[in-house]
Amino acid sequence: GAVVSQHPSRVICKSGTSVKIECRSLDFQATTMFWYRQFPKQSLMLMATSNEGSKATYEQGVEKDKFLINHASLTLSTLTVTSAHPEDSSFYICSAQGPGWGGTDTQYFGPGTRLTVL
Amino acid sequence: DQQVKQNSPSLSVQEGRISILNCDYTNSMFDYFLWYKKYPAEGPTFLISISSIKDKNEDGRFTVFLNKSAKHLSLHIVPSQPGDSAVYFCAASYYNQGGKLIFGQGTELSVKP
Repeated sequence: GAVVSQHPSRVICKSGTSVKIECRSLDFQATTMFWYRQFPKQSLMLMATSNEGSKATYEQGVEKDKFLINHASLTLSTLTVTSAHPEDSSFYICSAQGPGWGGTDTQYFGPGTRLTVL
Repeated sequence: DQQVKQNSPSLSVQEGRISILNCDYTNSMFDYFLWYKKYPAEGPTFLISISSIKDKNEDGRFTVFLNKSAKHLSLHIVPSQPGDSAVYFCAASYYNQGGKLIFGQGTELSVKP
């Protein structure tokens, strides 16, 4: 299947700093990428949908100014957590979907990024 | 508002036996359902899916059953193997939502040798 990578896999930062997480589709072009976060023992919560070349669509309750998403190319989307606070500590996962693919089973997930804010 | 629910946080099964993981949903507009398997510190891996026009889909040891009237689906794994031990998430989507998935809370399956 298609491969999606995330970088970094783990990051620890101080409160108030910003952190950038990259999501790359390695062997296909992803017109749509999704960003999720997962708290321990909870489900994956969709944060936003990112389409290449356009602004991201955020889910209700997700602050767009805090979680900046950029999808500048067909193989790269970035999530920047601005002015991070301890409550932003979570597991962030991206997924990527190619153009014209039928069926949502063709959405491939990255390995996730563990963010810890001290 | 949890639209997709997995009410059993964990399940323990003996190797060789059947594992049954359950999932309930509330939104009648969902028309596509998926099961994902997830290991710790990794992203989910697609396992099997089912369209709302079907009531069963089978792929090797994995079978998904859908009961639309009860808004319930289940994943059967037969026979269960120790390598199946992981967290299983069910997810749902519906037409014209651009592939957005709504996930359940997950069920941690432990298959004991």
